[in-house]
Amino acid sequence: QAQLVESGGGVVHPGRSLRLSCAASGFTLSDYAMHWVRLAPGKGLDWVAGISIPGGHTYYADSVRGRFTISRDNSKNTVYLQMNSLRLEDTALYYCAKDSVPRDNYLYHMDVWGQGTTVTVSS
Amino acid sequence: DIQMTQSPSSLSASIGDRVTITCQASQDINNYLSWYQQKPGKAPKLLIYDASTLETGVPLRFSGSGFGTDFTFTINSLQPEDIATYYCQKYDDVPITFGQGTRLEIK
Repeated sequence: QAQLVESGGGVVHPGRSLRLSCAASGFTLSDYAMHWVRLAPGKGLDWVAGISIPGGHTYYADSVRGRFTISRDNSKNTVYLQMNSLRLEDTALYYCAKDSVPRDNYLYHMDVWGQGTTVTVSS
Repeated sequence: DIQMTQSPSSLSASIGDRVTITCQASQDINNYLSWYQQKPGKAPKLLIYDASTLETGVPLRFSGSGFGTDFTFTINSLQPEDIATYYCQKYDDVPITFGQGTRLEIK
């Protein structure tokens, strides 16, 4: 059974950095693109970043491009989100999600989600 | 970038009602649209992809339709466990975009 477990969230000051991790199990990570999606308080779902396979092409929402970096280590079954220059508006529950379509370099819909890790940016 | 406009933002309906949510894309996205259900405190759940294909295990009372720019999500015979927020998502290209969400309540 496919499972994703996020970690690394916390409380940070504006301008600081944080790295989120997403541990995958129950499926072959290298066969799937992966996503980070966030849910800010009182807001809707917001796609943050995606990474394709196997070359690791990366894609970002305009709001985080240049500040966030998505990466993957298939040997460790882990996906990462490095978040630099954090802003108050980055405060959210961050979900890791598995793309539904195997062995495809594009990004599609998401069929497996973790429970999320909370990032709070506060002065 | 293509914008997704989802409506209504909230909806109150009775058990057994038919519920409809719409999602409109600012440009043609073919059938590259999915629908998710998110219950409070839970992760989103994929219900429908490619505009009308039901994800495995999803009850048949859920359905989707549309192509191009206009899409519809329907719950036939609303059940108590359907209380949630529903989102559309387009994936024709990056950036991937979600609709604003529809909060569904029981009347």
